[in-house]
Amino acid sequence: GESVGLHLPTLSVQEGDNSIINCAYSNSASDYFIWYKQESGKGPQFIIDIRSNMDKRQGQRVTVLLNKTVKHLSLQIAATQPGDSAVYFCAETRDAGNQFYFGTGTSLTVIP
Amino acid sequence: DAGVTQSPTHLIKTRGQHVTLRCSPISGHKSVSWYQQVLGQGPQFIFQYYEKEERGRGNFPDRFSARQFPNYSSELNVNALLLGDSALYLCASSITLGRAREKLFFGSGTQLSVL
Repeated sequence: GESVGLHLPTLSVQEGDNSIINCAYSNSASDYFIWYKQESGKGPQFIIDIRSNMDKRQGQRVTVLLNKTVKHLSLQIAATQPGDSAVYFCAETRDAGNQFYFGTGTSLTVIP
Repeated sequence: DAGVTQSPTHLIKTRGQHVTLRCSPISGHKSVSWYQQVLGQGPQFIFQYYEKEERGRGNFPDRFSARQFPNYSSELNVNALLLGDSALYLCASSITLGRAREKLFFGSGTQLSVL
């Protein structure tokens, strides 16, 4: 399944399918981006990061794409598993203080 | 190695009271940040401390204060609690506060309920 729009709050996918979660940011000075996964009752868990001098970065089953022209970030999860069910946040920072600005999050539900 | 640890995990207070939340960063991490997460929203930055000095402050009233100790642990204090202060308070640590961007490692948070 693929999310559409910039702030879709929920996404449901079948187990084994690929998931795409999108995020928009507004400040062109943002230069470092992180995707976090947050499960119920837990703090955000680091998934993958990307700096503004890159447009793609891959991890284990995850890929982050950065389009600075339209200020858009996406997280692709391959072969989505039930354990991937969580809320996913994009976070960006733009200043030397390392203060992060978080999006509102997308709730991913994996259907077995 | 232990991750970021926060205490207590849950807390119930009444309006007007004061609360202190505690955080121990990952061993070797010198920077601690505090975030407030209201239900259904993303975390919002409150403070960042590095080497015991405040290095950043978000848009929160003066009722919120924090400090960092020589062992890099930190406390977040909130005075005159309001119902709207009910939230998950997250502590995050990173190694340094350099110009290079660094990922934050979060604890599980303290769930504060103000009645």
